[in-house]
Amino acid sequence: GESVGLHLPTLSVQEGDNSIINCAYSNSASDYFIWYKQESGKGPQFIIDIRSNMDKRQGQRVTVLLNKTVKHLSLQIAATQPGDSAVYFCAVHNSNSGYALNFGKGTSLLVTP
Amino acid sequence: DVKVTQSSRYLVKRTGEKVFLECVQDMDHENMFWYRQDPGLGLRLIYFSYDVKMKEKGDIPEGYSVSREKKERFSLILESASTNQTSMYLCASSLFSGAGELFFGEGSRLTVL
Repeated sequence: GESVGLHLPTLSVQEGDNSIINCAYSNSASDYFIWYKQESGKGPQFIIDIRSNMDKRQGQRVTVLLNKTVKHLSLQIAATQPGDSAVYFCAVHNSNSGYALNFGKGTSLLVTP
Repeated sequence: DVKVTQSSRYLVKRTGEKVFLECVQDMDHENMFWYRQDPGLGLRLIYFSYDVKMKEKGDIPEGYSVSREKKERFSLILESASTNQTSMYLCASSLFSGAGELFFGEGSRLTVL
């Protein structure tokens, strides 16, 4: 199976600072990784994804880093804004999980003024 | 944009009642999923379907069943609701099998008294 965990359940950052949210996974056969953002009262929304043949991918203000050697994934948010306050989930796919993604438990990001 | 619509945002039911949670997606996706989300436990897969009339058990199928009579609609059924099924239920769909983005609905918060 796959175990997906986040290092910190909560993270507080000041507006304008950079945020880093971490995720660890257990299965070296994992081939696809995705970050979701969930605001209060809403369903998870896609942020960014990365496949195992890459180690870095950038979006708008977000970067995902993948370290397959230590089975670690991180989401970096540049110049964090109050609207970034949400719960962030990593999700992992491996060949054994078939159709499904395995989700971590989430990190709650709080952005303070 | 993909839209996944869950028919009820909030439901309150009594123990023993039969509960139907409906989900419709408008992007002709083959794959649909039901997750439940609980504090500290993250998202856990209940059932998924990769085609009409096809279904597969996820990690926690006990006490649930599903129906997929049409491609766009995936229903979650609680035959006899229990208090431990009080939760947030999230429906999702995807174009790709496994290693691809899930598109989520806004969630249905079910309270069983």
